[in-house]
Amino acid sequence: EAQVTQNPRYLITVTGKKLTVTCSQNMNHEYMSWYRQDPGLGLRQIYYSMNVEVTDKGDVPEGYKVSRKEKRNFPLILESPSPNQTSLYFCASRPRAADTGELFFGEGSRLTVL
Amino acid sequence: EDQVTQSPEALRLQEGESSSLNCSYTVSGLRGLFWYRQDPGKGPEFLFTLYSAGEEKEKERLKATLTKKESFLHITAPKPEDSATYLCAVQAIGNFNKFYFGSGTKLNVKP
Repeated sequence: EAQVTQNPRYLITVTGKKLTVTCSQNMNHEYMSWYRQDPGLGLRQIYYSMNVEVTDKGDVPEGYKVSRKEKRNFPLILESPSPNQTSLYFCASRPRAADTGELFFGEGSRLTVL
Repeated sequence: EDQVTQSPEALRLQEGESSSLNCSYTVSGLRGLFWYRQDPGKGPEFLFTLYSAGEEKEKERLKATLTKKESFLHITAPKPEDSATYLCAVQAIGNFNKFYFGSGTKLNVKP
């Protein structure tokens, strides 16, 4: 089954404790992206990757890091989480960056930073 | 600045009561406008892509239309299973790596 898989789905952590949210897709997509969703603000792009070893900032990259060492994986790293990073996070992919088609989303990861 | 505004924020309908959701956009050259459905606890699920003014797409009880400044998602004779949050997003020419999403319309269809 074609899918985007995120882990963990739910996480409660404390300020400053490094964490990684993993994202994996099995569709051989070149383009992957991370979003955060907050009430009233919609989905905002954090980082995106056009292919292996090619990443760039979205609209809200502060406090986050990413890496793309393999085509299928695009982990989101919070080096020193803060309470304002409490949010619902979504990973998404599409075949190629230049496509004009849909994004395929994961199920989401709900992060709470105390 | 590219942006998307959706209205209303929430909409409550009786089963069978048709209505429309609005998505107004400002973008420096539209490459595509997308509609997604999001169920609670789930990721957004793709519904439609519209590329140019005058275009229409249909799927079951849903029909999406596009003008140069806005898009409408028309829901005809909705059923309770149509209850969800509907998201609109745009992609700009020359900046196809980014998608700008609205904050969504939460639709509740009562039986």
